Amino acid sequence: GQNIDQPTEMTATEGAIVQINCTYQTSGFNGLFWYQQHAGEAPTFLSYNVLDGLEEKGRFSSFLSRSKGYSYLLLKELQMKDSASYLCAVRDSNYQLIWGAGTKLIIKP
Amino acid sequence: IAGITQAPTSQILAAGRRMTLRCTQDMRHNAMYWYRQDLGLGLRLIHYSNTAGTTGKGEVPDGYSVSRANTDDFPLTLASAVPSQTSVYFCASSAKGFNEQFFGPGTRLTVL
Repeated sequence: GQNIDQPTEMTATEGAIVQINCTYQTSGFNGLFWYQQHAGEAPTFLSYNVLDGLEEKGRFSSFLSRSKGYSYLLLKELQMKDSASYLCAVRDSNYQLIWGAGTKLIIKP
Repeated sequence: IAGITQAPTSQILAAGRRMTLRCTQDMRHNAMYWYRQDLGLGLRLIHYSNTAGTTGKGEVPDGYSVSRANTDDFPLTLASAVPSQTSVYFCASSAKGFNEQFFGPGTRLTVL
């Protein structure tokens, strides 16, 4: 079966760095996505990885290792507005997105 | 219209009733999707459409139907609602050959 695992919840301090991990087992791989979802709102796109390595975009970076079935999202200089759920999704061999349940990130002052 | 819209925002429905959730996008995206999101579970694909005139079944299609008469609209119909269909429903779209999916604001549906 297809499976994507992320921690359910994480807590971090304003100004700090946090790493959210995602491991996956899917039928085929055609890219991995990270989305941010604030409570009561729609998911919004953060990053896309299809090749191994690190993609940096401002305070957010995303890493992929296809051989390990592993990705992480790194958030630097945390701000209170970063309190949200972070969703990991893999595009499978049918080019459909398989979603993890999301990681709720709580930022404390 | 800017982006992707859904209607209604929320709805309480009696079991057995028929309900259509509306989704409209003005980005001329080829592909459109319907997901449901339940607490503790990831987004689950209900139905999708890669282009106007075609539709396909996702992971959880039972009890739902869709149509894609044109590029902009992708309605989702519950023929006879059941309490297990209580969920938040998101419509999304993406451009052909591009990766990012854009999401509508969602419809919160409660079936009693």
